Amino acid sequence: EDKVVQSPLSLVVHEGDTVTLNCSYEVTNFRSLLWYKQEKKAPTFLFMLTSSGIEKKSGRLSSILDKKELFSILNITATQTGDSAIYLCAVGGSQGNLIFGKGTKLSVKP
Amino acid sequence: NAGVMQNPRHLVRRRGQEARLRCSPMKGHSHVYWYRQLPEEGLKFMVYLQKENIIDESGMPKERFSAEFPKEGPSILRIQQVVRGDSAAYFCASSYTGYGGQPQHFGDGTRLSIL
Repeated sequence: EDKVVQSPLSLVVHEGDTVTLNCSYEVTNFRSLLWYKQEKKAPTFLFMLTSSGIEKKSGRLSSILDKKELFSILNITATQTGDSAIYLCAVGGSQGNLIFGKGTKLSVKP
Repeated sequence: NAGVMQNPRHLVRRRGQEARLRCSPMKGHSHVYWYRQLPEEGLKFMVYLQKENIIDESGMPKERFSAEFPKEGPSILRIQQVVRGDSAAYFCASSYTGYGGQPQHFGDGTRLSIL
């Protein structure tokens, strides 16, 4: 059965800290891995990764994929209270649908 | 607003009634996906549609649930004879191309409550 596992499930840090969120997967016909940020409403798209070893970066956020070891990490540097959210990892197969992990709940304290 | 639009935002139904959830994809997107999110659970895939076609409905219960994406108008997720267990947030997403080639963008969801 296809599955996506995220760790940790929750994390509390202070402003300025750097955090690393983990995502491992077992999905047949892997096509892409995506990261989303979910606050109260819609999951907001962050990154889509398809190739191993190529880092994607947007401001203080970055992500990388390892297709050999079947995992990805999402890094957030110099965290701010506005980074508090649930971060979702999802894997897309060739069928088109996304398989989601349960998410990592990040709380950034001032 | 060029984003994915879902309505209503909140829907309250009594057991046995019908619920209709609507989704208008982003402009230019012809691939629509429905997901369900239960409390403390991740998003679970339900159905994938392209205009006038159901591509994959493997995540949708066989009874009481149906989905369509007509040539004109929004995609509709329909739940007949609702039960308490249908209470959840239902999210719609759309993409420019299908089969995982482009990221899916999500709407704000419809929160369905069954009394």
